[in-house]
Amino acid sequence: DIQMTQSPSSLSASVGDRVTITCRASQGIRNDLGWYQQKPGKAPKRLIYSASTLHTGVPSRFSGSGSGTEFTLTISSLQPEDFATYYCLQHNSFPYTFGQGTKLEIK
Amino acid sequence: EVQLLESGGGLVQPGGSLRLSCAASGFTFSTYAMSWVRQAPGKGLEWVSVIGEGGDNIGYADSVKGRFTISRDNSKDTVFLQMNSLTVEDTAVYYCVNRYWLESWGRGTLVTVSS
Repeated sequence: DIQMTQSPSSLSASVGDRVTITCRASQGIRNDLGWYQQKPGKAPKRLIYSASTLHTGVPSRFSGSGSGTEFTLTISSLQPEDFATYYCLQHNSFPYTFGQGTKLEIK
Repeated sequence: EVQLLESGGGLVQPGGSLRLSCAASGFTFSTYAMSWVRQAPGKGLEWVSVIGEGGDNIGYADSVKGRFTISRDNSKDTVFLQMNSLTVEDTAVYYCVNRYWLESWGRGTLVTVSS
């Protein structure tokens, strides 16, 4: 099974900060990776697919990069509505696997 | 607008069974793979299962393999998750999601396994 190691597990930042979250796959997954945002009590929402393609309607301050085993999600200038938990998912091979999540909190 | 409406959750005793349903609308169901993802209370997301457009290409998480069965009825735009031999570790909100790469999500249905 492919393991997804996501870091950091939590992050404290301020409005306007640039933040980066990383996911590392235990083996190559090409660009079969998505990023998801979840707010408390709500279903997750997709932000990025194919590692770097922005989902429709997602603000351009979100961006994704990477291929193979190393992937990053970057938020260029944090907004108040961005404080949430973020997950990566590999969908290269069964069983698909999520990263452990990154909780982004207000400093 | 894509809508995914899960149903069938509830309280069940350990060792029991439950069948979840997800009614889809707003897209051509028969051309989309469908997935289930769960989230235990206070925990992260766990991918559970996926079924291809035609009912083939099925995958399961190791934690549910042999106990859960995914199926679909393209004539009714509905996907199912039959859950048997439930344990307390299966307690979670279960989300229905379309596509292999988890595009649109339902609101979830809570499954509680407890005696």
